[in-house]
Amino acid sequence: SQLAEENLWALSVHEGESVTVNCSYKTSITALQWYRQKSGEGPAQLILIRSNEREKRNGRLRATLDTSSQSSSLSITATRCEDTAVYFCATDFTGANTGKLTFGHGTILRVHP
Amino acid sequence: GGIITQTPKFLIGQEGQKLTLKCQQNFNHDTMYWYRQDSGKGLRLIYYSITENDLQKGDLSEGYDASREKKSSFSLTVTSAQKNEMAVFLCASSILGYQDTQYFGPGTRLLVL
Repeated sequence: SQLAEENLWALSVHEGESVTVNCSYKTSITALQWYRQKSGEGPAQLILIRSNEREKRNGRLRATLDTSSQSSSLSITATRCEDTAVYFCATDFTGANTGKLTFGHGTILRVHP
Repeated sequence: GGIITQTPKFLIGQEGQKLTLKCQQNFNHDTMYWYRQDSGKGLRLIYYSITENDLQKGDLSEGYDASREKKSSFSLTVTSAQKNEMAVFLCASSILGYQDTQYFGPGTRLLVL
């Protein structure tokens, strides 16, 4: 099956450092979403980046999309302990207007004081 | 803004038992979803519904039934709980549309003894 997949299972940084989570996929897409899931909560969308956008920002977050290499990255600058969460990339491979997203396995990010 | 409510928050069942999970949303969204999340893994789609009384199978529908009684509510039934099963069931909703943002509830945590 075709999945949006994050490349690393876990990352650990200290507060204030920057970190990047990567995601690769195996077929053409029109958009990719990044979600964050904190412990005990449901996922929440951070950024939706479309195939005609190379970069999109949301505060300390920056997403990139490279359609030629079929990869995306989510960077967080000046990390805080509250950024500790699982980060997922997700996309709709069906093209059938159902909103049916395929999620990657997630990357666990721990931010230490 | 809106909110997704899932009940119960925790569900403990016995092997072979039929268990029902409920989800309510007040976003007035057309599409609703049920996902299963196993520890350390991504989300897997069980069922989704693009409008009231519609049901579509996801990748993991075997062993589950679903019901979209009205636009705001979507129920999931585990038809026969498996011993030692442990997972989080997440409900989400979105406006019907390709690559739409999905809004998630906090989840129902299932443990089968």
